Amino acid sequence: LAKTTQPISMDSYEGQEVNITCSHNNIATNDYITWYQQFPSQGPRFIIQGYKTKVTNEVASLFIPADRKSSTLSLPRVSLSDTAVYYCLVGDTNAGKSTFGDGTTLTVKP
Amino acid sequence: DSGVTQTPKHLITATGQRVTLRCSPRSGDLSVYWYQQSLDQGLQFLIQYYNGEERAKGNILERFSAQQFPDLHSELNLSSLELGDSALYFCASSVAPSRGGDNEQFFGPGTRLTVL
Repeated sequence: LAKTTQPISMDSYEGQEVNITCSHNNIATNDYITWYQQFPSQGPRFIIQGYKTKVTNEVASLFIPADRKSSTLSLPRVSLSDTAVYYCLVGDTNAGKSTFGDGTTLTVKP
Repeated sequence: DSGVTQTPKHLITATGQRVTLRCSPRSGDLSVYWYQQSLDQGLQFLIQYYNGEERAKGNILERFSAQQFPDLHSELNLSSLELGDSALYFCASSVAPSRGGDNEQFFGPGTRLTVL
């Protein structure tokens, strides 16, 4: 299973762009990279998923370099409500294997 | 609302006891996952089932067991409970394996277990 490493915490201010990086040096060929958001006492919620290059949806972008050994979640113009824990998940649930990282606690300040 | 339901929401019990947590996946989802989240800790994957069969095993203790029934709901059984088993237990579900892309997991609201 690919082991993931994320920063424990990050601080930002409203309106800023936030980039959270996840390292996954031993990612396998079939593994995808997925990011989840979790608020206190709630289940995690899917944000975005990618395999390579760049993926963008209505809430975030995901940048994956060619070697796929890391990935960066980019949140544009964060607000106070984006304060949460962000998890990087690397794996292939089709094959029955996936690993959540330890999560990054993002605190957005006014 | 993710469409995944978990019961009960809260459970308080004593050490040495046995409890059963229940999960109903989203309609149409065949895979069910169980996770444990202790206070201020990350998500620890316990076990995954797909269409009734065990698919993957994580850091699940021998005192814990799970199963997925023909109607696709799943139960997580925790026995000989210890104080350290106090945690939030999440269930997630996903669709059948697809050709491309990993399967988005939809998480339930969790069951908070307190062992006294």
